[in-house]
Amino acid sequence: EAGVTQFPSHSVIEKGQTVTLRCDPISGHDNLYWYRRVMGKEIKFLLHFVKESKQDESGMPNNRFLAERTGGTYSTLKVQPAELEDSGVYFCASSQVPGTEAFFGQGTRLTVV
Amino acid sequence: QKEVEQDPGPLSVPEGAIVSLNCTYSNSAFQYFMWYRQYSRKGPELLMYTYSSGNKEDGRFTAQVDKSSKYISLFIRDSQPSDSATYLCAMSDLHGSSNTGKLIFGQGTTLQVKP
Repeated sequence: EAGVTQFPSHSVIEKGQTVTLRCDPISGHDNLYWYRRVMGKEIKFLLHFVKESKQDESGMPNNRFLAERTGGTYSTLKVQPAELEDSGVYFCASSQVPGTEAFFGQGTRLTVV
Repeated sequence: QKEVEQDPGPLSVPEGAIVSLNCTYSNSAFQYFMWYRQYSRKGPELLMYTYSSGNKEDGRFTAQVDKSSKYISLFIRDSQPSDSATYLCAMSDLHGSSNTGKLIFGQGTTLQVKP
């Protein structure tokens, strides 16, 4: 069974540009989460999808971040325009039941220069 | 104050030692407790998952939860060099106001097991 996959694994962009991260959850997992780890800090929650609906987006930093999950399958996280403080590792996770066993992807390392 | 506190280490032990990793938390509503292992440049890998208080054992790994003290532990017996990684505790309150089951993470403890 394939795990959670994320693309790209690494992205370097200039301040002001747009970047789109993609996450493919484990098949059958309705719950999809985005998390972020900035340097020296703990992994922090960004938002939660149940199928195609946003259940909780309380962790999204600001309106430069837009997440979608069309059709309840894969999800994208767009940052537009990117700022220096957006640099970090963005993780996607999926689970069958919310709050329980969540499986993580390998992460996308975003560097804004 | 952070909701979850975890000593970042680093923690260095000789091969074969028993390793004890710990986290404390402040939110008494947390009910689900997880330990993840993360190798460099990889995503967190779920090691152990415990609901409420008690112990859970899986091979060389034992997870303990003491809700009265708001304290969780992960023990690794007969530690191996391949156990060298960052260990993250995480917890959730499934029945919180948002019912989202989002995970709250500790900062992670870096463990090095020397041959």
